[in-house]
Amino acid sequence: EAGVAQSPRYKIIEKRQSVAFWCNPISGHATLYWYQQILGQGPKLLIQFQNNGVVDDSQLPKDRFSAERLKGVDSTLKIQPAKLEDSAVYLCASSLGDGGHEQFFGPGTRLTVL
Amino acid sequence: AQRVTQPEKLLSVFKGAPVELKCNYSYSGSPELFWYVQYSRQRLQLLLRHISRESIKGFTADLNKGETSFHLKKPFAQEEDSAMYYCALRTVPGNTGKLIFGQGTTLQVKP
Repeated sequence: EAGVAQSPRYKIIEKRQSVAFWCNPISGHATLYWYQQILGQGPKLLIQFQNNGVVDDSQLPKDRFSAERLKGVDSTLKIQPAKLEDSAVYLCASSLGDGGHEQFFGPGTRLTVL
Repeated sequence: AQRVTQPEKLLSVFKGAPVELKCNYSYSGSPELFWYVQYSRQRLQLLLRHISRESIKGFTADLNKGETSFHLKKPFAQEEDSAMYYCALRTVPGNTGKLIFGQGTTLQVKP
């Protein structure tokens, strides 16, 4: 089966600019996750969707980050405006459902903020 | 607060030597523990989960609730085991899928 797709793979922007990332989960997967992985750290959950509803966004910096999954399939994560500390790899993952289902990860988008 | 600690950033062993990657967690509830692996230029993927109690690629991990640990072990390391390993904790079993990851340990297996 096709895996989780993400684009772009790499992005370089200057601080205060805006950026958007796209994720296409595995077909049929109801749950979608966005993680932020800063260099030298493990992934940290930013937001979790169940279909098109938000399950957990407690660690999403809502003053600058936003995410949507309008039709319960693809998702976009946006940062506006970006800060230097947003430099990280942004990982998208999906699973059949929440709870005990395995999460499958995409290749990630590496963001560099100058 | 829930936390996962992997005390070693880098573990370097020779081929054929035993391997133990340490993982300790902090959680007051009933935990679900996982090991994820990321090989060079590949995606993060699930290696094993404690509820499965299975051996994957020769690796095993036992949940020790008394010591709040979930160490990953392999009796004889292979060069292809070289990768980044992350221990992860699921905080609400059966409800959301949120994972809390440790900082990761790079395993380097030398020939």
